[in-house]
Amino acid sequence: AQSVTQLDSQVPVFEEAPVELRCNYSSSVSVYLFWYVQYPNQGLQLLLKYLSGSTLVKGINGFEAEFNKSQTSFHLRKPSVHISDTAEYFCAVCPNNNAGNMLTFGGGTRLMVKP
Amino acid sequence: DTGVSQDPRHKITKRGQNVTFRCDPISEHNRLYWYRQTLGQGPEFLTYFQNEAQLEKSRLLSDRFSAERPKGSFSTLEIQRTEQGDSAMYLCASSLGEIDYGYTFGSGTRLTVV
Repeated sequence: AQSVTQLDSQVPVFEEAPVELRCNYSSSVSVYLFWYVQYPNQGLQLLLKYLSGSTLVKGINGFEAEFNKSQTSFHLRKPSVHISDTAEYFCAVCPNNNAGNMLTFGGGTRLMVKP
Repeated sequence: DTGVSQDPRHKITKRGQNVTFRCDPISEHNRLYWYRQTLGQGPEFLTYFQNEAQLEKSRLLSDRFSAERPKGSFSTLEIQRTEQGDSAMYLCASSLGEIDYGYTFGSGTRLTVV
């Protein structure tokens, strides 16, 4: 079984400041990793994913994440946030031996960007 | 293509009533997933279909829950004898199957059981 821990339930940050949202996972097999964003009353939108290759992945809206296998982490970063980045962010994993590609999500981190 | 559509967006029902939600996936997507998201939590997997076949169900899916995808297109999720603990956002997602393509999520159906 897999589990995902997002260590911060809320992250307040000022506009144009950098931000890091932390994600750690546990799995007995290799996994694929994902970050999704959810705006109020909307579904989840994929920000970025790590399947293989370079451990630094770039996504939409200026976000990037780095896969660290030894620390079982996949932290999300953005060098300069905007008010419009205010949303809930979810880290998710999928075991690479899972034919159904079901995702296990963390509890989410609410990013609150202040002017 | 307008993406994944879910209907209704909101549903308020009395405890003990039955409710049914509908999901229309992206037309060329052969996989369809249902997830449940309670307040302040991440989504949890409920079940998925490959075309019309229901291939996996979570232990979260009690006997009161049933899902169908009769012609491999739209899907319905029915909850019988609703309980207050069923209050949640029910999310549908579809995909082409390969993990590279990821999922496309709908906007969800928010169920409130009173």
